[in-house]
Amino acid sequence: EAQVTQNPRYLITVTGKKLTVTCSQNMNHEYMSWYRQDPGLGLRQIYYSMNVEVTDKGDVPEGYKVSRKEKRNFPLILESPSPNQTSLYFCASSPTSGRASTGELFFGEGSRLTVL
Amino acid sequence: ELKVEQNPLFLSMQEGKNYTIYCNYSTTSDRLYWYRQDPGKSLESLFVLLSNGAVKQEGRLMASLDTKARLSTLHITAAVHDLSATYFCAVSHYGGATNKLIFGTGTLLAVQP
Repeated sequence: EAQVTQNPRYLITVTGKKLTVTCSQNMNHEYMSWYRQDPGLGLRQIYYSMNVEVTDKGDVPEGYKVSRKEKRNFPLILESPSPNQTSLYFCASSPTSGRASTGELFFGEGSRLTVL
Repeated sequence: ELKVEQNPLFLSMQEGKNYTIYCNYSTTSDRLYWYRQDPGKSLESLFVLLSNGAVKQEGRLMASLDTKARLSTLHITAAVHDLSATYFCAVSHYGGATNKLIFGTGTLLAVQP
């Protein structure tokens, strides 16, 4: 089954304790992206990757890191989480980047993170 | 900067009624997407609109795109309770080689029996 898989789905942590949210897709998509969803703000892009070893900042990258060492994986790293990073996080992928693609994003199930 | 606005933000409607959700955006784009999100769930793609005048229909939902007016509509016909969800529109902001989606804040639809 074609899917985007995120782990963990739920996490409660404390300020400053490094954590990683993994994202894996099995559709051979080039483009991957992380969004956070907060009430009243919709979805905001954190980071995106157009292909292996190519990543760039989205609209709200502060406090986050990413890497793209393999095509299928795009982990989101919070080096020193703070309470304002409490949010619902979504990983998404798309078949290709650029104008050749329809741009349709396929989303993972979401990871709800609480930072105390 | 591309901004995407949806209205209404909340819509309570009775089963069997018709209604329209509006999505306005601020700069030129010819790609617009509609997603559905059930509580606590992921976003599910509903429609991909890729050109001016595009119209797509699936069941009781119909989406259209007017790129000149920078407006998309999601029309609901004879609503049923199963359509209760949050609906997002997203607009493609094409800059350089990337295809970035900017999302609206969503419309929470509650269909009452």
